[in-house]
Amino acid sequence: EVQLVESGGGLVQPGGSLRLSCVASGFTFSSYWMSWVRQAPGKGLEWVANIKQDGSEKYYVDSVKGRFTISRDNAENSLFLQMNSLRAEDTAVYYCTGDGRLGASDCWGQGTQVTVSS
Amino acid sequence: DIQMTQSPSTLSASVGDRVTITCRASQSVTTWLAWYQQKPGKPPKLLIYKASSLESGVPSRFSGSGSGTEFTLTISCLQPDDFATYYCQQYSSYSMYSFGQGTKLEIK
Repeated sequence: EVQLVESGGGLVQPGGSLRLSCVASGFTFSSYWMSWVRQAPGKGLEWVANIKQDGSEKYYVDSVKGRFTISRDNAENSLFLQMNSLRAEDTAVYYCTGDGRLGASDCWGQGTQVTVSS
Repeated sequence: DIQMTQSPSTLSASVGDRVTITCRASQSVTTWLAWYQQKPGKPPKLLIYKASSLESGVPSRFSGSGSGTEFTLTISCLQPDDFATYYCQQYSSYSMYSFGQGTKLEIK
């Protein structure tokens, strides 16, 4: 069974940091582009970042450039998102996705909640 | 950046109806367009990729069409399980994906 399990979310003060993790199972993780997608409360989906199979290419939405870093460990079937200088507008559920359909996200985790508030 | 605009934002329909949701891109994405279904409290589910390819396990009443800047998702005969929010997503290059704002499909 294909599975993505996120962890690392929580409550953090503005300016703080969090590191999200996502562990994959049931598919060949090292063959997939992987992404992080977020959804603010009551809002739509926003693509945040993605990373190539070997980690050699990484891309970010403009609003997180310079603050967030995506990475992966293929030996551990794991995806990460280091989030620094967090802002209230980063509050959202963060989903880990596997982009196996020519770039479309065919597998999704259940999400982890990140709340930025004082 | 490529902006995606869906219409309508909300759609009221009845079981058995045929419905169409439109997605427009601010520039051509050729056929690099996906559709997702999301229910409250759940992650999105991929329905259609490459504009018209049906994801495995998705009922055939769902179909996608279009190319360039205009795309449609059609549900041919609405079932109770189909009432949800639908999003389009362009992925014309790996360097910048973007989603439409969503279309909420409600029971009339």
